Amino acid sequence: DSGVTQTPKHLITATGQRVTLRCSPRSGDLSVYWYQQSLDQGLQFLIQYYNGEERAKGNILERFSAQQFPDLHSELNLSSLELGDSALYFCASSVGKVGDTQYFGPGTRLTVL
Amino acid sequence: GQQLNQSPQSMFIQEGEDVSMNCTSSSIFNTWLWYKQDPGEGPVLLIALYKAGELTSNGRLTAQFGITRKDSFLNISASIPSDVGIYFCAGSSTSGTYKYIFGTGTRLKVLA
Repeated sequence: DSGVTQTPKHLITATGQRVTLRCSPRSGDLSVYWYQQSLDQGLQFLIQYYNGEERAKGNILERFSAQQFPDLHSELNLSSLELGDSALYFCASSVGKVGDTQYFGPGTRLTVL
Repeated sequence: GQQLNQSPQSMFIQEGEDVSMNCTSSSIFNTWLWYKQDPGEGPVLLIALYKAGELTSNGRLTAQFGITRKDSFLNISASIPSDVGIYFCAGSSTSGTYKYIFGTGTRLKVLA
Protein backbone atom coordinates (compact mmCIF):
# COMPACT_ATOMS: atom_id res chain seq x y z
CA ASP A 1 0.00 0.00 0.00
CA SER A 2 1.60 3.24 -1.21
CA GLY A 3 -0.52 5.47 1.01
CA VAL A 4 -2.05 7.22 -2.00
CA THR A 5 -5.78 6.67 -2.35
CA GLN A 6 -7.96 7.13 -5.40
CA THR A 7 -11.70 6.97 -5.86
CA PRO A 8 -13.64 5.60 -7.55
CA LYS A 9 -11.82 2.43 -8.61
CA HIS A 10 -14.04 1.99 -11.64
CA LEU A 11 -16.17 4.44 -13.57
CA ILE A 12 -18.40 3.72 -16.53
CA THR A 13 -20.06 6.59 -18.34
CA ALA A 14 -21.31 7.71 -21.72
CA THR A 15 -19.78 9.97 -24.33
CA GLY A 16 -20.36 13.65 -23.71
CA GLN A 17 -20.56 13.25 -19.96
CA ARG A 18 -18.38 14.76 -17.24
CA VAL A 19 -16.68 12.88 -14.42
CA THR A 20 -14.51 13.73 -11.44
CA LEU A 21 -11.68 11.56 -10.17
CA ARG A 22 -10.38 12.04 -6.67
CA CYS A 23 -6.95 11.52 -5.14
CA SER A 24 -5.63 11.80 -1.61
CA PRO A 25 -1.82 11.98 -1.37
CA ARG A 26 0.38 10.27 1.19
CA SER A 27 0.53 11.98 4.53
CA GLY A 28 3.08 14.78 4.34
CA ASP A 29 3.28 14.90 0.56
CA LEU A 30 2.59 18.29 -0.98
CA SER A 31 2.75 17.37 -4.66
CA VAL A 32 0.14 15.50 -6.64
CA TYR A 33 0.61 14.26 -10.20
CA TRP A 34 -1.97 12.91 -12.61
CA TYR A 35 -1.19 10.36 -15.34
CA GLN A 36 -3.19 8.69 -18.06
CA GLN A 37 -2.47 5.15 -19.19
CA SER A 38 -4.31 3.81 -22.20
CA LEU A 39 -4.52 0.08 -22.92
CA ASP A 40 -1.04 -1.47 -23.08
CA GLN A 41 0.53 1.97 -23.23
CA GLY A 42 2.98 3.83 -21.05
CA LEU A 43 2.20 6.53 -18.55
CA GLN A 44 1.41 9.95 -19.96
CA PHE A 45 1.94 12.82 -17.57
CA LEU A 46 -1.06 15.17 -17.42
CA ILE A 47 -0.51 17.73 -14.70
CA GLN A 48 1.16 18.39 -11.35
CA TYR A 49 0.07 20.46 -8.37
CA TYR A 50 2.19 21.54 -5.46
CA ASN A 51 0.60 22.84 -2.29
CA GLY A 52 -2.50 23.98 -4.12
CA GLU A 53 -0.87 25.53 -7.15
CA GLU A 54 -0.29 24.18 -10.62
CA ARG A 55 3.41 23.45 -11.07
CA ALA A 56 3.79 21.55 -14.34
CA LYS A 57 1.61 20.67 -17.26
CA GLY A 58 1.95 17.79 -19.66
CA ASN A 59 -0.24 16.49 -22.43
CA ILE A 60 -3.50 17.46 -20.80
CA LEU A 61 -6.46 18.15 -23.06
CA GLU A 62 -8.41 21.37 -22.70
CA ARG A 63 -11.46 19.27 -21.81
CA PHE A 64 -9.59 18.11 -18.72
CA SER A 65 -8.87 20.18 -15.65
CA ALA A 66 -7.56 19.58 -12.18
CA GLN A 67 -7.20 21.29 -8.86
CA GLN A 68 -5.63 20.70 -5.48
CA PHE A 69 -7.53 21.72 -2.39
CA PRO A 70 -6.25 23.18 0.90
CA ASP A 71 -6.31 19.73 2.50
CA LEU A 72 -4.04 18.66 -0.40
CA HIS A 73 -6.42 16.21 -2.00
CA SER A 74 -6.79 16.64 -5.73
CA GLU A 75 -9.52 16.18 -8.29
CA LEU A 76 -9.22 15.56 -12.01
CA ASN A 77 -12.24 16.67 -14.00
CA LEU A 78 -12.85 15.16 -17.41
CA SER A 79 -15.60 16.68 -19.53
CA SER A 80 -17.20 16.12 -22.94
CA LEU A 81 -15.91 12.59 -22.71
CA GLU A 82 -14.97 10.69 -25.84
CA LEU A 83 -14.44 6.99 -26.42
CA GLY A 84 -10.70 7.58 -26.58
CA ASP A 85 -10.67 8.90 -23.04
CA SER A 86 -11.18 5.36 -21.76
CA ALA A 87 -8.03 4.59 -19.79
CA LEU A 88 -6.53 4.08 -16.38
CA TYR A 89 -5.96 7.35 -14.57
CA PHE A 90 -3.31 7.34 -11.89
CA CYS A 91 -2.51 9.82 -9.22
CA ALA A 92 0.94 9.94 -7.64
CA SER A 93 2.27 12.02 -4.79
CA SER A 94 5.64 13.17 -3.55
CA VAL A 95 7.12 15.48 -0.98
CA GLY A 96 7.51 18.09 -3.68
CA LYS A 97 11.21 18.65 -4.16
CA VAL A 98 12.84 18.42 -7.58
CA GLY A 99 13.48 14.79 -8.47
CA ASP A 100 11.95 13.30 -5.36
CA THR A 101 10.27 9.92 -5.40
CA GLN A 102 6.71 9.54 -6.61
CA TYR A 103 4.31 7.01 -5.13
CA PHE A 104 1.33 5.87 -7.16
CA GLY A 105 -2.24 5.23 -6.18
CA PRO A 106 -4.21 2.18 -7.37
CA GLY A 107 -5.80 4.08 -10.24
CA THR A 108 -9.28 4.75 -11.56
CA ARG A 109 -10.37 2.76 -14.58
CA LEU A 110 -12.58 4.95 -16.76
CA THR A 111 -14.70 3.35 -19.45
CA VAL A 112 -16.54 5.63 -21.86
CA LEU A 113 -19.31 3.90 -23.80
CA GLY B 1 4.25 12.73 -25.31
CA GLN B 2 7.94 12.65 -24.57
CA GLN B 3 9.20 9.22 -23.46
CA LEU B 4 12.40 7.40 -22.74
CA ASN B 5 13.66 4.54 -24.85
CA GLN B 6 13.28 1.38 -22.81
CA SER B 7 14.41 -2.03 -23.99
CA PRO B 8 13.59 -4.72 -24.50
CA GLN B 9 9.88 -4.16 -25.06
CA SER B 10 9.10 -7.66 -23.85
CA MET B 11 10.91 -10.73 -22.60
CA PHE B 12 10.04 -14.35 -22.11
CA ILE B 13 12.42 -16.08 -19.72
CA GLN B 14 12.67 -19.30 -17.81
CA GLU B 15 12.23 -19.30 -14.06
CA GLY B 16 15.62 -18.95 -12.40
CA GLU B 17 17.19 -16.89 -15.19
CA ASP B 18 18.59 -13.43 -14.73
CA VAL B 19 16.95 -10.47 -16.48
CA SER B 20 18.40 -7.19 -17.70
CA MET B 21 16.60 -4.16 -19.05
CA ASN B 22 17.65 -0.58 -19.65
CA CYS B 23 16.49 2.91 -20.39
CA THR B 24 18.25 5.55 -22.43
CA SER B 25 17.59 9.21 -22.91
CA SER B 26 18.89 12.05 -25.03
CA SER B 27 18.70 14.26 -21.94
CA ILE B 28 20.70 14.22 -18.76
CA PHE B 29 18.70 13.11 -15.76
CA ASN B 30 19.34 13.71 -12.08
CA THR B 31 17.00 11.02 -10.78
CA TRP B 32 16.01 7.61 -12.07
CA LEU B 33 13.15 5.54 -10.70
CA TRP B 34 12.19 1.97 -11.51
CA TYR B 35 8.61 0.75 -11.08
CA LYS B 36 6.77 -2.55 -11.51
CA GLN B 37 3.15 -2.60 -12.57
CA ASP B 38 0.80 -5.56 -12.32
CA PRO B 39 -2.24 -5.61 -14.65
CA GLY B 40 -4.87 -3.09 -13.60
CA GLU B 41 -2.81 -1.90 -10.65
CA GLY B 42 -0.76 1.20 -9.95
CA PRO B 43 3.01 1.18 -10.48
CA VAL B 44 4.95 0.19 -7.39
CA LEU B 45 8.30 1.80 -6.75
CA LEU B 46 11.19 -0.68 -6.79
CA ILE B 47 14.36 1.39 -6.68
CA ALA B 48 15.27 5.08 -6.70
CA LEU B 49 18.65 6.37 -7.92
CA TYR B 50 19.93 9.87 -7.24
CA LYS B 51 23.63 9.94 -8.21
CA ALA B 52 25.52 9.10 -11.39
CA GLY B 53 27.22 5.74 -10.99
CA GLU B 54 25.03 4.75 -8.07
CA LEU B 55 24.33 1.04 -7.77
CA THR B 56 21.39 0.12 -5.53
CA SER B 57 19.88 -3.24 -4.65
CA ASN B 58 16.47 -4.26 -3.39
CA GLY B 59 16.45 -8.00 -2.79
CA ARG B 60 17.00 -9.73 -6.12
CA LEU B 61 16.77 -6.41 -7.96
CA THR B 62 19.75 -4.21 -8.73
CA ALA B 63 19.64 -0.91 -10.57
CA GLN B 64 22.36 1.44 -11.71
CA PHE B 65 22.41 5.11 -12.61
CA GLY B 66 24.61 5.38 -15.69
CA ILE B 67 27.80 7.43 -15.53
CA THR B 68 26.70 9.54 -18.50
CA ARG B 69 23.45 10.33 -16.59
CA LYS B 70 21.57 9.42 -19.76
CA ASP B 71 20.83 5.81 -18.96
CA SER B 72 19.88 3.37 -16.25
CA PHE B 73 19.80 -0.40 -15.93
CA LEU B 74 17.68 -2.82 -13.94
CA ASN B 75 18.73 -6.40 -13.30
CA ILE B 76 16.62 -9.13 -11.74
CA SER B 77 18.45 -12.21 -10.57
CA ALA B 78 17.01 -15.72 -10.32
CA SER B 79 13.59 -14.75 -11.66
CA ILE B 80 10.45 -16.25 -10.14
CA PRO B 81 6.88 -16.38 -11.48
CA SER B 82 5.75 -13.37 -9.42
CA ASP B 83 8.28 -11.19 -11.28
CA VAL B 84 5.80 -11.16 -14.15
CA GLY B 85 4.60 -7.67 -14.94
CA ILE B 86 5.56 -4.48 -16.71
CA TYR B 87 8.66 -2.64 -15.56
CA PHE B 88 8.88 1.11 -16.13
CA CYS B 89 11.80 3.43 -15.77
CA ALA B 90 11.24 7.12 -15.08
CA GLY B 91 13.68 9.98 -15.25
CA SER B 92 13.68 13.48 -13.89
CA SER B 93 15.84 15.97 -15.78
CA THR B 94 18.28 18.52 -14.48
CA SER B 95 16.38 21.39 -16.04
CA GLY B 96 14.56 22.12 -12.83
CA THR B 97 11.28 20.57 -13.84
CA TYR B 98 9.44 18.54 -11.33
CA LYS B 99 7.84 16.06 -13.64
CA TYR B 100 9.08 12.64 -14.62
CA ILE B 101 9.31 11.16 -18.08
CA PHE B 102 8.40 7.49 -18.23
CA GLY B 103 9.82 4.74 -20.36
CA THR B 104 7.60 2.69 -22.62
CA GLY B 105 7.88 -0.33 -20.34
CA THR B 106 9.36 -3.81 -20.48
CA ARG B 107 6.80 -6.59 -20.30
CA LEU B 108 8.29 -9.57 -18.51
CA LYS B 109 6.88 -13.07 -18.66
CA VAL B 110 8.39 -15.89 -16.66
CA LEU B 111 7.94 -19.48 -17.76
CA ALA B 112 7.89 -21.96 -14.91
